[in-house]
Amino acid sequence: EPEVTQTPSHQVTQMGQEVILRCVPISNHLYFYWYRQILGQKVEFLVSFYNNEISEKSEIFDDQFSVERPDGSNFTLKIRSTKLEDSAMYFCAGGMNGMAGELFFGEGSRLTVL
Amino acid sequence: KNQVEQSPQSLIILEGKNCTLQCNYTVSPFSNLRWYKQDTGRGPVSLTIMTFSENTKSNGRYTATLDADTKQSSLHITASQLSDSASYICVVRGSMEYGNKLVFGAGTILRVKS
Repeated sequence: EPEVTQTPSHQVTQMGQEVILRCVPISNHLYFYWYRQILGQKVEFLVSFYNNEISEKSEIFDDQFSVERPDGSNFTLKIRSTKLEDSAMYFCAGGMNGMAGELFFGEGSRLTVL
Repeated sequence: KNQVEQSPQSLIILEGKNCTLQCNYTVSPFSNLRWYKQDTGRGPVSLTIMTFSENTKSNGRYTATLDADTKQSSLHITASQLSDSASYICVVRGSMEYGNKLVFGAGTILRVKS
């Protein structure tokens, strides 16, 4: 069964460093999302991406964050200058029908900022 | 303001027993409500999606109910197994007023003991 693949599974970085989290969505999906979950808290929406552009973003997704789908398969989330409060689990998700349909989540990338 | 409230916060049951998890939401109007299972350190996995016109939906031993009038949903787990130990998250898709995003509850942590 196809699945959403995320790398790395865990990354430890120093505050102020740039981080890129990668996702390979299921091949026939059209809508892509990044969510984050701070330890012990709710899953929070970061950004949605459709037709090679951002369709929606949350207040969390400030100018330190960016997303791109450079080669039609990988979907990346970049944090330019990490802060301690960026430490969280970051989930990539995708679907065929956007919010109307099923969303498939990856296993997550745990980011620890020291 | 919590738009999706879940109860109980945590629950311990014996293997083989049934349990019911509750979700109350204020997101309105909404278009669908989902239940996800999230194992510790893993991505959420969809159990059910219900539109406002659906009252009940089953997926194996999981049965979700929805009362759109009272804005309540429940997830009933029958004949629990040790592998059911996880966080169960209620998620509501809002209308354009909510930016067409998914609003996540904090989850109910279920532990099934032998």
